Amino acid sequence: KAGVTQTPRYLIKTRGQQVTLSCSPISGHRSVSWYQQTPGQGLQFLFEYFSETQRNKGNFPGRFSGRQFSNSRSEMNVSTLELGDSALYLCASSRTEFYNEQFFGPGTRLTVL
Amino acid sequence: GENVEQHPSTLSVQEGDSAVIKCTYSDSASNYFPWYKQELGKRPQLIIDIRSNVGEKKDQRIAVTLNKTAKHFSLHITETQPEDSAVYFCAATGGSQGNLIFGKGTKLSVKP
Repeated sequence: KAGVTQTPRYLIKTRGQQVTLSCSPISGHRSVSWYQQTPGQGLQFLFEYFSETQRNKGNFPGRFSGRQFSNSRSEMNVSTLELGDSALYLCASSRTEFYNEQFFGPGTRLTVL
Repeated sequence: GENVEQHPSTLSVQEGDSAVIKCTYSDSASNYFPWYKQELGKRPQLIIDIRSNVGEKKDQRIAVTLNKTAKHFSLHITETQPEDSAVYFCAATGGSQGNLIFGKGTKLSVKP
């Protein structure tokens, strides 16, 4: 069974630009969660999608948004990039809407210059 | 808001010793408590999890204990090996819809 995949793996942008990250969950998984990982801050929850609906959202500004498609693939978008948005963005998938084992993707390393 | 605190932030042990990492959570409704291991440059991977109706769970050298009254849970690694060196994250469900809230991580170093 293929694992969670994320594209692109690395991204360099400049302040003010916008970026779209993609996540393909494990086949059959319907829930996708997104996290921001920065040194010393651990994993901070961005949002979770289940069956194309945003089920929960973390404490991030409205510049961070996401969506999920009918095949469960998910994208997240960050508009008007700031230097502080530089981080590793991880997505994780799980089978159902109830929390059980989440499988993480390799992440997208975003650098904002 | 809901919070998960994790201690210590760094832990150094000799090979063969035991390691204990502790987490406390604030949401009394939390019912799922996973532990993830993240090796350098790799993705987090689940190593063990426990649900609120269980007090202890063990898998070979790894065990997790949960004290719901005190709202804390701990990871115990016995007979540590150099390959146990990694960052370990605890998490607990929280929030209005039960998303996972992670601790800030513990960097474990096992010295041969």
